[in-house]
Amino acid sequence: QVQLQESGPGLVKPSETLSLTCSVSGASIRSYYWTWIRQPPGKGLEWIAYMYYIGVTNYNPSLKSRVTISVDTSMNQFSLQLSSVTAADTAIYYCAAASNGYLIYWGQGTLITVSS
Amino acid sequence: EIVLTQSPGTLSLSPGERATLSCRASQSVSSSYLAWYQQKPGQPPRLLLYGASSRATGIPDRFSGSGSGTDFTLTISRLEPEDFAVYYCQQYGSSPITFGQGTRLEIQ
Repeated sequence: QVQLQESGPGLVKPSETLSLTCSVSGASIRSYYWTWIRQPPGKGLEWIAYMYYIGVTNYNPSLKSRVTISVDTSMNQFSLQLSSVTAADTAIYYCAAASNGYLIYWGQGTLITVSS
Repeated sequence: EIVLTQSPGTLSLSPGERATLSCRASQSVSSSYLAWYQQKPGQPPRLLLYGASSRATGIPDRFSGSGSGTDFTLTISRLEPEDFAVYYCQQYGSSPITFGQGTRLEIQ
């Protein structure tokens, strides 16, 4: 059973960098495309980025200048950094495992609030 | 960027009825790389269908998908109480990956 678990700070100040980690169990980090998606409270889904363990990455152009995604094969986890956050970045952030682009396994999500 | 427009925004039906949800793309979705997800309050989305019509593991056969090009449909043949939720379509044939805005399926 593949399980994903996000971890993060919960609250981030404006202009700071948001850092999230997703821990993967039940699957090798080499098996899927590791993906971040977010959902503002009460709104729809937005794809952020994905990465394959060999370094292949793809970013949403709307966020690309502020996003870094990385994979740690030794820890079986992957991470997201989003810089220069504003209130518009307040959302539930999900990590997910993708195959050919569709999202098979999802974490439960973590709410990140941007506020001073 | 491919924009996905879902209709209707809200669909009110009763258990046992048939639900038909639409997803229209602003450009052709290559190779029918379209997926459908179900999301219930407080939960992450759950993959229902991929490749427009292939059911994900464990998804009941009352869920079916069809379509190609720019027009796709999710059909729930006979609604069960647990089917009332928000449904999203997603295209993964072109970058960036995009989602529709969702259709809320509510109990009438």
